[in-house]
Amino acid sequence: EDQVTQSPEALRLQEGESSSLNCSYTVSGLRGLFWYRQDPGKGPEFLFTLYSAGEEKEKERLKATLTKKESFLHITAPKPEDSATYLCAVQGGSNNDMRFGAGTRLTVKP
Amino acid sequence: DTEVTQTPKHLVMGMTNKKSLKCEQHMGHRAMYWYKQKAKKPPELMFVYSYEKLSINESVPSRFSPECPNSSLLNLHLHALQPEDSALYLCASSQRGPQGYTFGSGTRLTVV
Repeated sequence: EDQVTQSPEALRLQEGESSSLNCSYTVSGLRGLFWYRQDPGKGPEFLFTLYSAGEEKEKERLKATLTKKESFLHITAPKPEDSATYLCAVQGGSNNDMRFGAGTRLTVKP
Repeated sequence: DTEVTQTPKHLVMGMTNKKSLKCEQHMGHRAMYWYKQKAKKPPELMFVYSYEKLSINESVPSRFSPECPNSSLLNLHLHALQPEDSALYLCASSQRGPQGYTFGSGTRLTVV
């Protein structure tokens, strides 16, 4: 069965303090790994898709990387507006549906 | 149009009521999804429609009944819900294949 584990569960950073979020996954036949941002009471907002080990994607202060077992979301010099829950999801195996990890709640203090 | 629109945004219903949640997209996506999300938990898949046909039903109780009238619309009919069904209900759409989903803002459902 597909499994997605995110760590840490919560992360508090000072503005400008760079860090990384981890997503470990187990899936047979990975078709895609996805990162989303979710603000309280809102639907997830799509950030990145990674398809194969070694692939990297960047968007503003965010950079996502992928290996055969995990993905990292690197946040460089974060700002308070980056505060949100970041969700990782995988698609693969016998189902085409997307399975989500529990998320990392990021708080960036000014 | 790059949005998924969900209505209503908030819904309070009694356990004997019948109500419907609506979802609409005009991006030409041929796959549409219903997810349920409890507070501080990840979204849980309920139903998947592909080309207007139900393709995945994650053993959801029969008090939830999905409907896909056409490729742009998705409904979730609710009947005889329980208080534990209170949650954020999210609709999403995508092209088929490993593509990111576009989510709506959700319907916050409270069952009293």
